[in-house]
Amino acid sequence: GNSVTQMEGPVTLSEEAFLTINCTYTATGYPSLFWYVQYPGEGLQLLLKATKADDKGSNKGFEATYRKETTSFHLEKGSVQVSDSAVYFCALELGGNNRLAFGKGNQVVVIP
Amino acid sequence: DTEVTQTPKHLVMGMTNKKSLKCEQHMGHRAMYWYKQKAKKPPELMFVYSYEKLSINESVPSRFSPECPNSSLLNLHLHALQPEDSALYLCASSHEGDSYEQYFGPGTRLTVT
Repeated sequence: GNSVTQMEGPVTLSEEAFLTINCTYTATGYPSLFWYVQYPGEGLQLLLKATKADDKGSNKGFEATYRKETTSFHLEKGSVQVSDSAVYFCALELGGNNRLAFGKGNQVVVIP
Repeated sequence: DTEVTQTPKHLVMGMTNKKSLKCEQHMGHRAMYWYKQKAKKPPELMFVYSYEKLSINESVPSRFSPECPNSSLLNLHLHALQPEDSALYLCASSHEGDSYEQYFGPGTRLTVT
């Protein structure tokens, strides 16, 4: 079936550091890929998306490129701020069936 | 307007109570969703409505009863819940079809006592 794998464990880093969160997927076709962010006490917000191979999604300094050859959609930001502390979920949607498959999420903590 | 609103924000209910969660969107989306999210976990899909008809029920216990009165509103009726049903309940909406992102509301934090 379709699934998403995110790297294990929380990510703790200092302000202005480079952030990478790995996301790989398994899908029978060509899914659309998403990154959602959840700030404490809130719902999920769409951060960025990509719908086909080699597409790059970007928003608020975050970027992710849809890599079909490595089945990956890693999230990156060049210089994180304390306000980026949140949980980040990678997700895929395949075939217009209204189902999102989520990864387990990564807690990101940015220390001043 | 890309907002999905949910009420109430918090709800505490006893196991014999009946309550309802409400969700509203005005983005013209024809797909609406209920998710359940436990702490430190991703959201779990419960129900999907497509063009106001229930299209997906992920084997949710009957003590949860969804309703879609019109294309903008989605309700979740709760009855005889268990303490393990305590969670954050998220509503989402999207356009129908391939590749459309889902927009999530802020959620209702439910505690069953």
